[in-house]
Amino acid sequence: AQSVTQPDIHITVSEGASLELRCNYSYGATPYLFWYVQSPGQGLQLLLKYFSGDTLVQGIKGFEAEFKRSQSSFNLRKPSVHWSDAAEYFCAVGVGEYGNKLVFGAGTILRVKS
Amino acid sequence: ETGVTQSPTHLIKTRGQQVTLRCSSQSGHNTVSWYQQALGQGPQFIFQYYREEENGRGNFPPRFSGLQFPNYSSELNVNALELDDSALYLCASSFVAGAYNEQFFGPGTRLTVL
Repeated sequence: AQSVTQPDIHITVSEGASLELRCNYSYGATPYLFWYVQSPGQGLQLLLKYFSGDTLVQGIKGFEAEFKRSQSSFNLRKPSVHWSDAAEYFCAVGVGEYGNKLVFGAGTILRVKS
Repeated sequence: ETGVTQSPTHLIKTRGQQVTLRCSSQSGHNTVSWYQQALGQGPQFIFQYYREEENGRGNFPPRFSGLQFPNYSSELNVNALELDDSALYLCASSFVAGAYNEQFFGPGTRLTVL
């Protein structure tokens, strides 16, 4: 069965510091992979996605993620975190036709300290 | 262009009651998916509707049912509410036509079952 693991429930980083959020997935076929961000009272917003091709993908708000098939990982990174990045981040694998049914991880809450 | 909207924002019900949640898809979208997000967890796929037909279902009992209307708005109905049904319910819409298209999420309906 498909599953997504986000090992870190909470992460705290200083403003301006770099960030890496971990994600591991279990899926038999070539995965569709996504990172979403959720701010309080708001819906999920897509940061970036990977389907195929270049394993380093760029997203919105300065985020990037690297797909590593050998490690079944799709970690999210940002070189310099801003206070407005504080939110909850979800990794997801898309299943079904065109990957449009999402299996989410439990999320990582990012806190940014000034 | 309006985004995905959901109503109501919050809802309180008692165990055993029935509830209907509503979702208005983004203009031009023909697919809607519903997700349940319990506190501290990632969203879980309930089901998806494509052109008014159910197009996939997650591991949820039959008391969770849905409808999609000709204008592509949607309802999620839950019968015989249980305490564990307390969660944020998210809908997401997309336009599916032979390829991946981004799902856009609404802000959710917070359901509390007492």
